[in-house]
Amino acid sequence: QLQLQESGPGLVKTSETLSLTCSVSGGSISSTDYSWGWIRQPPGKGLEWIGHININYIGGTYYSLSLRGRVTISVDKSRSQVSLKLNSVTAADTALYFCARYSDSTGCFDPWGQGTLVTVSS
Amino acid sequence: DIQMTQSPSSVSASVGDRVTITCRASQDIGTWLVWYQQKPGKAPNLLIYLASSLQSGVPSRFSGSGSGTDFTLTISSLQPEDFAVYYCQQAQTFPLTFGGGTKVEIK
Repeated sequence: QLQLQESGPGLVKTSETLSLTCSVSGGSISSTDYSWGWIRQPPGKGLEWIGHININYIGGTYYSLSLRGRVTISVDKSRSQVSLKLNSVTAADTALYFCARYSDSTGCFDPWGQGTLVTVSS
Repeated sequence: DIQMTQSPSSVSASVGDRVTITCRASQDIGTWLVWYQQKPGKAPNLLIYLASSLQSGVPSRFSGSGSGTDFTLTISSLQPEDFAVYYCQQAQTFPLTFGGGTKVEIK
């Protein structure tokens, strides 16, 4: 059974870089049918897609327009990990961050990691 | 961006009630519509994909319908474990976008 687990600092200082890792187990990170994505949820609010990556396609990385320029998603196949980096963070980036597998054929995220809360504060 | 608008934002219902949640897209998305259920402190759980396909393991009391711009999630007979927030998501084009959520509360 595929499982995803997010990890990273729970507190990041304003203007610094948020770095999170999603560890994938129980399945292959290299499957051609799937991409790997990040979604966030500010406290008490709705879901926001950050972006996702399909490592089997050149240029197969897609980002939210509102975050483009600050966000990078990458994959380390040898470690079965998906990484998220978001630089120049502000309090508005405080959120619960989820990683999830994205099906290119059905357009849905499943499964999801449990999420990790990141607070941005000076 | 394609805007996804859910209604109502919250609904109060009793166990056994039929509940209907609507999601409207700002442009035609065909059947590229997904529904999730989220409980407090948990990750969203996939219910329906491609507008009407029930995810494996999801109870048959959940159903989805619609195409184009108007979509519906129906819970035919609300159970205690169904009290949660429900989100729609379009997958027609990037950026992927979610609706604002509908909270199903106990009446």
